[in-house]
Amino acid sequence: SQQGEEDPQALSIQEGENATMNCSYKTSINNLQWYRQNSGRGLVHLILIRSNEREKHSGRLRVTLDTSKKSSSLLITASRAADTASYFCATYVIQGAQKLVFGQGTRLTINP
Amino acid sequence: EPEVTQTPSHQVTQMGQEVILRCVPISNHLYFYWYRQILGQKVEFLVSFYNNEISEKSEIFDDQFSVERPDGSNFTLKIRSTKLEDSAMYFCASSGTGHSNQPQHFGDGTRLSIL
Repeated sequence: SQQGEEDPQALSIQEGENATMNCSYKTSINNLQWYRQNSGRGLVHLILIRSNEREKHSGRLRVTLDTSKKSSSLLITASRAADTASYFCATYVIQGAQKLVFGQGTRLTINP
Repeated sequence: EPEVTQTPSHQVTQMGQEVILRCVPISNHLYFYWYRQILGQKVEFLVSFYNNEISEKSEIFDDQFSVERPDGSNFTLKIRSTKLEDSAMYFCASSGTGHSNQPQHFGDGTRLSIL
């Protein structure tokens, strides 16, 4: 079945450093999305990259997509304490299904 | 900014009891979803709903589950006879068009604890 799997499962860095999280998936996709989840809260949509795009930027976020390797990465530059959260990639199947399939997530901790 | 709201934030229920989780999606959205997240596990899709009917459901969404849009604003998830393994965070989401290039907007969830 189609899945997004993130690595690392946990990442701890110092404030100001860059954080990179990776996601792999198994089947063809229409697009890939990244979401953030603060502890005890819902999921917040960060960025969407379509299957015909290779890179996308939004503020301090940079997402890449390599459909040949079925992988994506999320880079957060100049990290802040407020970036501490879990980050999930999610995919839609191509065939019109409306469900998002989430990966296991990366728990990011930014140390002040 | 409009948001999806869910109530209650925490529900404690005895095993075998019925529970109803409530959601108010973003007002002009047409597609509604329920997901759940068992503690420490990934977020799992349960069901999508459009035009007053289920458009897709997962294997988790068995006969014990049902969804309803009783009026123009609320979207509910009912679990008829709860089991211990139903303990999880339940998230409601909505999207404007249902097109896959539209993000889904999530509520903060209801933590369901089955005793």
